[in-house]
Amino acid sequence: QKEVEQNSGPLSVPEGAIASLNCTYSDRGSQSFFWYRQYSGKSPELIMSIYSNGDKEDGRFTAQLNKASQYVSLLIRDSQPSDSATYLCAVKGEDYKLSFGAGTTVTVRA
Amino acid sequence: EPEVTQTPSHQVTQMGQEVILRCVPISNHLYFYWYRQILGQKVEFLVSFYNNEISEKSKIFDDQFSVERPDGSNFTLKIRSTKLEDSAMYFCASSKLSTGNQPQHFGDGTRLSIL
Repeated sequence: QKEVEQNSGPLSVPEGAIASLNCTYSDRGSQSFFWYRQYSGKSPELIMSIYSNGDKEDGRFTAQLNKASQYVSLLIRDSQPSDSATYLCAVKGEDYKLSFGAGTTVTVRA
Repeated sequence: EPEVTQTPSHQVTQMGQEVILRCVPISNHLYFYWYRQILGQKVEFLVSFYNNEISEKSKIFDDQFSVERPDGSNFTLKIRSTKLEDSAMYFCASSKLSTGNQPQHFGDGTRLSIL
């Protein structure tokens, strides 16, 4: 059973600040890691994927992966009110399914 | 950008009735999935489907559930005799491949309410 844990939040940051989200996973065989954004009542929307140790940047988002520590994180730079949402960490191994964390709710204060 | 589409957006059904949720995956995707999210809880995997057969299913996906690809575009989830605890958002997803760096793209979901 894959377990994916996220810092519980909620996380409140002022506009323009950096939001830092953390995720740990239990299955060492996990291969692919994804961050999804979910607005209230909406579906998960893919924002980042990462497969190799290190950092991956896409616009204001940076994902970091450390497989030895079984840890993946997401940084949101220059946070905007539109970034207010729940961020879901999802992990995939050699099987077909994504295992999701419970999510961290981020609120960006204007 | 291609999307996964789901219908209906909201389904209200009496307990014990059958319900069919419909999905049109992205056209060049080969793998299809159903997930559900009970209000306030995690997104949970139900089933994956490839080449007209189930490739993996979770413990949630018991005999009351079935999936089908009745034609070249639709992918359906049927719940035969709904229970109150089936009330949830049901998300369909699709991906080009199941392995490596192939993300799953989600539809907008169907909110299923069992009365």
